[in-house]
Amino acid sequence: SQQGEEDPQALSIQEGENATMNCSYKTSINNLQWYRQNSGRGLVHLILIRSNEREKHSGRLRVTLDTSKKSSSLLITASRAADTASYFCATHYAGGTSYGKLTFGQGTILTVHP
Amino acid sequence: DAMVIQNPRYQVTQFGKPVTLSCSQTLNHNVMYWYQQKSSQAPKLLFHYYDKDFNNEADTPDNFQSRRPNTSFCFLDIRSPGLGDAAMYLCATSRAQGAEAFFGQGTRLTVV
Repeated sequence: SQQGEEDPQALSIQEGENATMNCSYKTSINNLQWYRQNSGRGLVHLILIRSNEREKHSGRLRVTLDTSKKSSSLLITASRAADTASYFCATHYAGGTSYGKLTFGQGTILTVHP
Repeated sequence: DAMVIQNPRYQVTQFGKPVTLSCSQTLNHNVMYWYQQKSSQAPKLLFHYYDKDFNNEADTPDNFQSRRPNTSFCFLDIRSPGLGDAAMYLCATSRAQGAEAFFGQGTRLTVV
C-alpha cells in the first residue's frame, strides 16, 4: 500500500500541552499535506509542505519533512480543547501511475482535555 | 458559503438497490476526488478526475461507478450496495493535481 503510517494512533493530552503526530510514507512525493477531521465531518486542510521544504509554520502548527527518512511530523503547540479531532497526513506522489492521487495515512485521534 | 456540497448528507438504501451520491462545487476546480471512509479508518481513494480524465483505483470494486458530466458536478453510483459498502463517502476538489483539497461534508450511507 502507498498509504502512510501514522503514530501514535491516539494521543490524549491536557490543554496547554504540545501534541506531536508523526507520519511515514513509502515512495517519492511531490508534497505532503495535513488535514483535520472533526467527528462525522469532512476533512479540512491545515498545511502543505513541498518535497524541497524541511519545515513550515502556520499559527500554532509546525510541520517538518525529512525526505531521506520518508517521514513528517505535525506539532500543535499550546493545545486547546477545540483541537480535539482526527489528524491525517496525505501524500501526493511524484509520478508513474500514482501521479495526481492524494493518498491518506491512518490518522491520529487527538483528545485535548480542558 | 459552502464550496463543495454533497447531497444527501445521510442516505439509507436497501441491500442491492442502486444508489447515487452527488457532489457539486463552486470553485471551478479541475480535480475531483471520491473517497470512502469507514469508521476509524483513513479515507480510501476510489476515483479521481483531472478535468475529464478519469482515474479508477485498481482496488475500487466494479460495483462503484462515477460520472462527471461537467466541471461542477460529480456523481458516485453504487450499482448493488452490499452491507460492506456502508460508510462515509467524501467528495473533494483541488485546483490542480496535488494541491490543497477542499472537502464536502460527506454522505453517510447506510445499507439495510
